Amino acid sequence: AQKVTQAQTEISVVEKEDVTLDCVYETRDTTYYLFWYKQPPSGELVFLIRRNSFDEQNEISGRYSWNFQKSTSSFNFTITASQVVDSAVYFCALSGLPGGSQGNLIFGKGTKLSVKP
Amino acid sequence: DSGVTQTPKHLITATGQRVTLRCSPRSGDLSVYWYQQSLDQGLQFLIQYYNGEERAKGNILERFSAQQFPDLHSELNLSSLELGDSALYFCASSVATSAGFHYGYTFGSGTRLTVV
Repeated sequence: AQKVTQAQTEISVVEKEDVTLDCVYETRDTTYYLFWYKQPPSGELVFLIRRNSFDEQNEISGRYSWNFQKSTSSFNFTITASQVVDSAVYFCALSGLPGGSQGNLIFGKGTKLSVKP
Repeated sequence: DSGVTQTPKHLITATGQRVTLRCSPRSGDLSVYWYQQSLDQGLQFLIQYYNGEERAKGNILERFSAQQFPDLHSELNLSSLELGDSALYFCASSVATSAGFHYGYTFGSGTRLTVV
C-alpha cells in the first residue's frame, strides 16, 4: 500500500529563517511520482513540484528547493529565507501512473508552517 | 484560474439532505479525481474516473456516489448527509498519456459543504 508520512504537524519560524519540511513515502511501485502542494489560508491547493521516481536530481526554484533521496524514501522541501507569505499548510503526495488504478494522489497529513515577522 | 471548475463554491444544507457537486475538468484531461478534506481526516481520496469509467475507489462512503459524463464533467452525489460530512471537497483532473508520462494534477478551488 502507498503511504506518505509528514511527521511535522506544525512548524513556526521567524522571517528569514530557513525551514525544511520532511516527507517520507512508502510504495511498491517502481514508477511513481512525488508532489508538493501548498494550501494557503484561502484554501486552494497550489502545485509546487512534481518528481518522478527515475529523476533523483535535486531541484531549486527561487527560495524553494527539494531533496529527493530514493535510498531513504524521502522527498524533503526546504524554504530558504522564509517570508510571511510562505505561511500555509504544505502537503507531500505520492501517485502511480495517471489513469491507472494507482493514479490517484495519496497525501500526507500536511505540515502547517507559520512564519512570523 | 486553474482550468478545473467546481460548483458551487459553498453549500449549506441540513442533515438528511442530498446534494450534488459538479466538476468540469481542464480541457483535454480525461481523468477526474474527487477528494474530501476534513479537519480530522486530512485529504482523502474518494474516487477516480477515466474517460467515463470508474478507475479506482478510495474511502468513499456508500451514501456517496459519482459519475463522469460523456462530456467528461463529473458529479459527486452525497446523500443522507450527516454533520460529519462537512468538509472541503476538491476535484482534480489529469492527462493520462499512453507512454504513462505524468503531467500532474490540476485542482479546482473546491466546494465547501456545511451540514447543519
